[in-house]
Amino acid sequence: GDSVTQMEGPVTLSEEAFLTINCTYTATGYPSLFWYVQYPGEGLQLLLKATKADDKGSNKGFEATYRKETTSFHLEKGSVQVSDSAVYFCALSDQSGTASKLTFGTGTRLQVTL
Amino acid sequence: AAGVIQSPRHLIKEKRETATLKCYPIPRHDTVYWYQQGPGQDPQFLISFYEKMQSDKGSIPDRFSAQQFSDYHSELNMSSLELGDSALYFCASSRSGANVLTFGAGSRLTVL
Repeated sequence: GDSVTQMEGPVTLSEEAFLTINCTYTATGYPSLFWYVQYPGEGLQLLLKATKADDKGSNKGFEATYRKETTSFHLEKGSVQVSDSAVYFCALSDQSGTASKLTFGTGTRLQVTL
Repeated sequence: AAGVIQSPRHLIKEKRETATLKCYPIPRHDTVYWYQQGPGQDPQFLISFYEKMQSDKGSIPDRFSAQQFSDYHSELNMSSLELGDSALYFCASSRSGANVLTFGAGSRLTVL
């Protein structure tokens, strides 16, 4: 079945440092890929997405490129802020049926310090 | 903009009791999904509905049931609660064929 593998956390960075959170996937067909963010005590918010190979999703300074050849969707940000501290989930959805449920990775906790 | 509304936000129950969680999707969204997120875990897909019919089923225990009503809201019914059912339960909604899910803030269930 489909699966998503993320790098384990926590990831601790100083403010303005460069961030990479690795994500690889296994899926049949051509899934769409997502990054969701969960701030403490809150729900899941869509951060960015990509629906086909070589697409780049971007939002709030975060970027991720859909790499079919390496089955990866790594999240990057050039300069993190304390307010970026949260748990980040990589996810994929298959295209079958009328409802496209998401399969999540285990999440990576990011802590940004001053 | 209207979001996905879940109620209650917090719920405390004893073992073997029952609980019902409600989810009100974004207007014009016809598909609802339920996820369970245990402490420190990733969200696990439970079940989904499209146009009031079950469309997919994940790791939902037999003690749980769910349905979607004519106004598209959904309810998750949990019976014979166990300690391990303590979790954050998320509802998400989407339009059919759109693979972007919008999540609610979640309902936190604590079983004592």
